[in-house]
Amino acid sequence: NAGVTQTPKFRVLKTGQSMTLLCAQDMNHEYMYWYRQDPGMGLRLIHYSVGEGTTAKGEVPDGYNVSRLKKQNFLLGLESAAPSQTSVYFCASSYVPSGSGGADTQYFGPGTRLTVL
Amino acid sequence: AQSVTQLDSQVPVFEEAPVELRCNYSSSVSVYLFWYVQYPNQGLQLLLKYLSGSTLVKGINGFEAEFNKSQTSFHLRKPSVHISDTAEYFCAVNQRGFKTIFGAGTRLFVKA
Repeated sequence: NAGVTQTPKFRVLKTGQSMTLLCAQDMNHEYMYWYRQDPGMGLRLIHYSVGEGTTAKGEVPDGYNVSRLKKQNFLLGLESAAPSQTSVYFCASSYVPSGSGGADTQYFGPGTRLTVL
Repeated sequence: AQSVTQLDSQVPVFEEAPVELRCNYSSSVSVYLFWYVQYPNQGLQLLLKYLSGSTLVKGINGFEAEFNKSQTSFHLRKPSVHISDTAEYFCAVNQRGFKTIFGAGTRLFVKA
């Protein structure tokens, strides 16, 4: 049981380049999330998904796109990277028991450190 | 709109001393509250959570937190810290939906 895994762990891009970050979970969770972590700002939600084939915008979605073609995978894409997107990116997944009203413990991957020059 | 404020960005403390990490939240409705811990170069993992019931919640590694509805606080405490508790701690609030709001984090430094 690997939990939540992220690929790659590190990446350096030049401004304008594109890339895709892959998140995979083997816990059969319905909900998946992409966050970015910047010093002094905590975690900010980029996009999230409440099930296969569905995605929604979070707090800071501009410049990113996502896809959830398979339940276990959640991809984050940067079409044209900018220096402002230099950050550590975390994927998370959660299972929300029915009747819990949305109380979810999120399980996080180890992160991807992205530098845009 | 809900928000989370962690009142201290850094907390230095000597080993075996007690520690309190402060968290205040704002919300117009009932919420669920969480504390997560992030060790260096790792993702976040759950320490404890408050859903309902007893306002004193016990978590892993000897940590506990108390929900205070009147003061809208959820402070994290440990009576005696270890060097291995050095990490960043995040308070989070979920307003019974799919999105959880995280605080900016508190770095706990435990000194020998």
